[in-house]
Amino acid sequence: NAGVMQNPRHLVRRRGQEARLRCSPMKGHSHVYWYRQLPEEGLKFMVYLQKENIIDESGMPKERFSAEFPKEGPSILRIQQVVRGDSAAYFCASSPPGESTDTQYFGPGTRLTVL
Amino acid sequence: KQEVTQIPAALSVPEGENLVLNCSFTDSAIYNLQWFRQDPGKGLTSLLLIQSSQREQTSGRLNASLDKSSGRSTLYIAASQPGDSATYLCAAPNAGGTSYGKLTFGQGTILTVHP
Repeated sequence: NAGVMQNPRHLVRRRGQEARLRCSPMKGHSHVYWYRQLPEEGLKFMVYLQKENIIDESGMPKERFSAEFPKEGPSILRIQQVVRGDSAAYFCASSPPGESTDTQYFGPGTRLTVL
Repeated sequence: KQEVTQIPAALSVPEGENLVLNCSFTDSAIYNLQWFRQDPGKGLTSLLLIQSSQREQTSGRLNASLDKSSGRSTLYIAASQPGDSATYLCAAPNAGGTSYGKLTFGQGTILTVHP
């Protein structure tokens, strides 16, 4: 059973471009969480999704950021018109369906650098 | 709103020492608490998951305890080794509402074990 996969592992964008980060949860997992780790800061929750539904996006910046988890395919975190302050490590985690008390399983992260 | 605090922020010890990392959380209505390890530029590795019904959990040289009533958890590392050098993160989940499962992380303790 492969773990949580994220791609790309490293992404470089120029200011104003779009960044698309992908996350494939573990097999059988239907809950996906995105977290961001800014330089010299802790991990902060961004958004929680289930298949085709955004459950909690309270940690998402109000503009330029969006997330989806379609019925088929990976979850996508999309950042439009990137700025230097978006440079960070973005981690995805997944957990099984239902109100599980299991651990969340984290992917290796995508490190976004905005030039 | 859950808040997680870790002390100390950094710790440097000689090889072989036993050490304790501390984590405190404000909302005791948690169903588990997790300890993670993060190496520089890398993702998160889950170390220990303590369910709310448990007082402690052990894995090798690691032992984590949980005291919900006081809002505290400790991670004990026995006979530390240079390979233990990393950032240790404590994370508490949201236990209710639509944000179920969302993790709040502490700022981490940066551990350096020198030979």
